[in-house]
Amino acid sequence: SQTIHQWPATLVQPVGSPLSLECTVEGTSNPNLYWYRQAAGRGLQLLFYSVGIGQISSEVPQNLSASRPQDRQFILSSKKLLLSDSGFYLCAWSVAGPGQPQHFGDGTRLSIL
Amino acid sequence: AQSVTQLGSHVSVSEGALVLLRCNYSSSVPPYLFWYVQYPNQGLQLLLKYTSAATLVKGINGFEAEFKKSETSFHLTKPSAHMSDAAEYFCAVNRDGFQKLVFGTGTRLLVSP
Repeated sequence: SQTIHQWPATLVQPVGSPLSLECTVEGTSNPNLYWYRQAAGRGLQLLFYSVGIGQISSEVPQNLSASRPQDRQFILSSKKLLLSDSGFYLCAWSVAGPGQPQHFGDGTRLSIL
Repeated sequence: AQSVTQLGSHVSVSEGALVLLRCNYSSSVPPYLFWYVQYPNQGLQLLLKYTSAATLVKGINGFEAEFKKSETSFHLTKPSAHMSDAAEYFCAVNRDGFQKLVFGTGTRLLVSP
């Protein structure tokens, strides 16, 4: 069966520090991969998605970037964190094709001090 | 553009009562619709999906949803609420003919004894 792993579960970082969040998927090949941010009391905002290695699409201009160095690895990064980067970050994967649901990791709670 | 509207940011029910969470969608193409549940500090878990087969869709944990094209609705129901159903629920619709999803702002379900 397929599983998705996200780490770390929680992270506290000072303003201006770098960031690296990692997500890996097991049990499937060539998945579509997604990064979301969920602000307190709000819905999910799609940040990045990827249909293959090295293929990244950004949904909104921001202080973050994403990379997909391997088929089942998706990394969210920042060179300098802002206070506004605080939130709950979720990674998800789906099988390619219409009507396929997305499957989510357990998320990373990021607090910026 | 595709969108979903979830009526009611909070819904309160008594244990054993009917659960009804409302979702209306807007889509210029035949939609794929999804309901997800999120427990505190966890990722989203797929409850059920509609992909143009049967209009009444059964999901996990006793939940079901009915697709009504004439009302552009996809409401989530459960005949008898359990305390363990207390969580946040998100409705989502596919976007842009790709597997990108547009999420509603969520409805928090509160279950009282």
